[in-house]
Amino acid sequence: DTAVSQTPKYLVTQMGNDKSIKCEQNLGHDTMYWYKQDSKKFLKIMFSYNNKELIINETVPNRFSPKSPDKAHLNLHINSLELGDSAVYFCASSPRLAGGVETQYFGPGTRLLVL
Amino acid sequence: GENVEQHPSTLSVQEGDSAVIKCTYSDSASNYFPWYKQELGKGPQLIIDIRSNVGEKKDQRIAVTLNKTAKHFSLHITETQPEDSAVYFCAASIGYALNFGKGTSLLVTP
Repeated sequence: DTAVSQTPKYLVTQMGNDKSIKCEQNLGHDTMYWYKQDSKKFLKIMFSYNNKELIINETVPNRFSPKSPDKAHLNLHINSLELGDSAVYFCASSPRLAGGVETQYFGPGTRLLVL
Repeated sequence: GENVEQHPSTLSVQEGDSAVIKCTYSDSASNYFPWYKQELGKGPQLIIDIRSNVGEKKDQRIAVTLNKTAKHFSLHITETQPEDSAVYFCAASIGYALNFGKGTSLLVTP
């Protein structure tokens, strides 16, 4: 059973389109994240939700909008896709414990290619 | 914000040798330091982590050391095997976000 799952695994789309990536975790964690990994493998935090509330929103274009319908799901919607959005997007989750950061468990990634 | 530097960017070792990857961080308030292994086409997987109240931690062939004064931490892999070949990332954190280093591509040759 996959702990953190993402769909789709691959996404190829045209510039200007709108697309969504879905993430689900079955670990019972309260906190979920979206990271972007660029072509040079650099991993950078985009968003973090704790119990459905946004707690981190890094400098990300407002074309990116996360949505958390419940604490087991964190979806990422991207409007007006641009070439520079091509990357691998990882979802992660962690248990919520006092003190902040705990171990983060990553999903398998969604490889987005914008043509 | 926190800045994490990681060296080397590539590392090639013979099977059975040791591998060492080093990271430095900028914010002395960072208190959690995980290491992740990423295999081709997969997500990062936690291999070991250390908190700021501990100086060293071991798990079989893997160890991590932390020097809070110098603000650096290192990953040590002993008796390397070909299946250790992957990209390794260090990270440092104060709050909810992990700030990653740029990764080290480790190649273990038979």
